[in-house]
Amino acid sequence: NAGVMQNPRHLVRRRGQEARLRCSPMKGHSHVYWYRQLPEEGLKFMVYLQKENIIDESGMPKERFSAEFPKEGPSILRIQQVVRGDSAAYFCASSPTPLQGSGNTIYFGEGSWLTVV
Amino acid sequence: RKEVEQDPGPFNVPEGATVAFNCTYSNSASQSFFWYRQDCRKEPKLLMSVYSSGNEDGRFTAQLNRASQYISLLIRDSKLSDSATYLCVVVNSGYSTLTFGKGTMLLVSP
Repeated sequence: NAGVMQNPRHLVRRRGQEARLRCSPMKGHSHVYWYRQLPEEGLKFMVYLQKENIIDESGMPKERFSAEFPKEGPSILRIQQVVRGDSAAYFCASSPTPLQGSGNTIYFGEGSWLTVV
Repeated sequence: RKEVEQDPGPFNVPEGATVAFNCTYSNSASQSFFWYRQDCRKEPKLLMSVYSSGNEDGRFTAQLNRASQYISLLIRDSKLSDSATYLCVVVNSGYSTLTFGKGTMLLVSP
């Protein structure tokens, strides 16, 4: 049973370029979460999606960042016009059901490490 | 006050020692609680859930004190492989996601 799959694992972009990070959830999971971890910092929630819907994007920066989870294919986190401060590890996670009241938790992919030069 | 607070450490202990971490959370309506473990430049991995009655998994024991809003993790007979950062995690009522503490670093030495 494959876990959460993320690619690319490592990505280098020049300032001003676009970064696209992909995430395929665990089999049977339809809930996807994106977290960002800056160097020496904790994990910060960015966005929660279910197939074709953004459920909670309260952690997403207002500009340059977007996320989608189409009916077919992986979830995509897109960062436009990257800046040095976007350099971080971006983790995707998935769960089989919503978390509230379920007692369930989330399972992480190995992460995508973005470096902006 | 931060939503989830942990002592960043590091906690330096010898092999075989017993070590305990605490974590406090600010939202009294928090529903679910977990400990995750994160190795350097790796993804967080679920270590164990935390229940009000307390739960044990081998050398690891987790406790929840709702009245005082804190969670603890006890590791007995520490192994070198226990060296990692331990993340305290809560699911808050009204939120759809997990909130992570910054983590407590544990270093176990021979």
